Amino acid sequence: QSALTQPPSVSAAPGQKVTISCSGSGSNIGSNYISWYLQLPGTAPKLLIYDNNKRSSGIPDRFSGSKSGTSATLGITGLQTGDEADYYCGTWDSSLSAYVFGTGTKVTVL
Amino acid sequence: QVQLQESGPGLVKSSQTLSLTCTVFGGSVSSGNYYWTWIRQPAGKGLEWIGRIYAHGNTNYSPSLHSRVTMSLDMSRNQFSLRLDSVTAADTAVYFCARSTIYAVTLDSWGQGSLVTVSS
Repeated sequence: QSALTQPPSVSAAPGQKVTISCSGSGSNIGSNYISWYLQLPGTAPKLLIYDNNKRSSGIPDRFSGSKSGTSATLGITGLQTGDEADYYCGTWDSSLSAYVFGTGTKVTVL
Repeated sequence: QVQLQESGPGLVKSSQTLSLTCTVFGGSVSSGNYYWTWIRQPAGKGLEWIGRIYAHGNTNYSPSLHSRVTMSLDMSRNQFSLRLDSVTAADTAVYFCARSTIYAVTLDSWGQGSLVTVSS
């Protein structure tokens, strides 16, 4: 029941920047805070960004979040090999009365 | 720093009931500041929210799983539990428990996950 759409993959060279989009609707992104989660291979997801643009504890300022209307964006600058992971957006859907995740984006460092 | 840990059988037979428990350390399931949440992830696939329970016993369940899911709290053991009835192979996944804030519904702490395989 993924209600949020993300690109399947993005890639860039070390030191470069990537952006990951998350597209939803008025009942989810349009009316609730968005969060972003990072999942390294074989591990549990971890909170990266909350309240649209606030970094979780210990997350470097290379990571940033923004929201506009029914879409959100995660940006990663100064890309490092350790950033290779799956990234998910997530938010509450007021119509479904359920939490919805994005489809997930795999970041590859070339 | 709150920590969560899932426990339960790793193998469940098809048509039977999956039961998992999440034990909370460094926090209290009786806190009115959080929801206690279950999420699952089939191998190689994305995250799926299953549902959440509040200290007062209020619950919200995924519309797609609503008819088969029951969540409960055990405040004396500082645990919350998931019950999923009539499982099939499609329910094979890693199951995560997590803490969710009330206001912005942020999943701010996660357990390490528990693999449950449904066998025929």
